Amino acid sequence: GENVEQHPSTLSVQEGDSAVIKCTYSDSASNYFPWYKQELGKGPQLIIDIRSNVGEKKDQRIAVTLNKTAKHFSLHITETQPEDSAVYFCAAPIWGYNNNDMRFGAGTRLTVKP
Amino acid sequence: GAVVSQHPSRVICKSGTSVKIECRSLDFQATTMFWYRQFPKQSLMLMATSNEGSKATYEQGVEKDKFLINHASLTLSTLTVTSAHPEDSSFYICSAGGAQETQYFGPGTRLLVL
Repeated sequence: GENVEQHPSTLSVQEGDSAVIKCTYSDSASNYFPWYKQELGKGPQLIIDIRSNVGEKKDQRIAVTLNKTAKHFSLHITETQPEDSAVYFCAAPIWGYNNNDMRFGAGTRLTVKP
Repeated sequence: GAVVSQHPSRVICKSGTSVKIECRSLDFQATTMFWYRQFPKQSLMLMATSNEGSKATYEQGVEKDKFLINHASLTLSTLTVTSAHPEDSSFYICSAGGAQETQYFGPGTRLLVL
């Protein structure tokens, strides 16, 4: 089955700096990789996703890069702001009966210091 | 679009009672819904996957008789924690998936069993 590893577990940056979170996956058949942001006491919110037919996707200050050969993908946040502080989860699909099944990384707690 | 609601947002109950949590997809039809459990500062642990009109598929170690899941329509799934005990206290989050792989999460339900 799919195994997703996420690093680092915690990340602290100064406001305005960039933050990078990395995930690796094990199933070479995986072709969809979402990133979620979870604020305290709330459910995860999808912030960006990428499919394996592209290597990079950007949405304003957020970008995701994918290296299918190495089986890893990364979340990049530029010009970080205090409101970016949250826990971020990556995920990769498990293919089987339910094509929505996902395995989530352990999460990265990002703190942006003003 | 892609809004998922959960009710209640938090519940406190006595040990031995049952608690029902509702998950609704408000603006799309969800062929599959997922139930997760999250302990403080930990990742999302998939409990079960439910498809509309069929029995839920439970993850290993999750008691199907204790965590009853009903997916009666394409917009509603319920999780009933039967005979709840203090160790069942947790943050329960549902997600809904449409035709593709993307999962959209509800805001979560915090359960406290006294």
